[in-house]
Amino acid sequence: EDQVTQSPEALRLQEGESSSLNCSYTVSGLRGLFWYRQDPGKGPEFLFTLYSAGEEKEKERLKATLTKKESFLHITAPKPEDSATYLCAVLSNSGYALNFGKGTSLLVTP
Amino acid sequence: DVKVTQSSRYLVKRTGEKVFLECVQDMDHENMFWYRQDPGLGLRLIYFSYDVKMKEKGDIPEGYSVSREKKERFSLILESASTNQTSMYLCASSFMAGVETQYFGPGTRLLVL
Repeated sequence: EDQVTQSPEALRLQEGESSSLNCSYTVSGLRGLFWYRQDPGKGPEFLFTLYSAGEEKEKERLKATLTKKESFLHITAPKPEDSATYLCAVLSNSGYALNFGKGTSLLVTP
Repeated sequence: DVKVTQSSRYLVKRTGEKVFLECVQDMDHENMFWYRQDPGLGLRLIYFSYDVKMKEKGDIPEGYSVSREKKERFSLILESASTNQTSMYLCASSFMAGVETQYFGPGTRLLVL
């Protein structure tokens, strides 16, 4: 059975304090790993898709990396507007639907 | 830009009522999905559809049904709403099977009294 575990559950950072969020996964054949950002009361907003170990993608202050067992979302010099819940999801060979982790709630204080 | 819209942002219904949640996408996507999101449980798949009139059960289909009569529209139906169906409902769509990204709508927060 596919499993996705995100850590930490919650993270509080000072503005400018870089850190990383972790997504560990177990799947029967990875077709893709997805990162989303979700603001309170809204739908998830797509950030990145990673397909194979060693792949990296960047967008502004965010950088996502992938190994065979986990993915990291690195946040460099975060700003208060980066505060949100970050969701990781995997798509395996066995189906159409994403399997989500429970998310990391990030708070960036000025 | 991909746009997925949901018919209501907030709904309040009574126990036993039949509830319809509608989702529309404007990008000619093949696949459409319904999830519910609850604190501590994350997003869980209710149903998905990979073509018009085609549907597959997800992880928690009990108490729900779906309808996809047109490619752009996917409806979630709560046959007889219960309080344990109070939740945030999220619709998503993707272009085709495989590794295509799923794009989400804004969500419907449903309260069943």
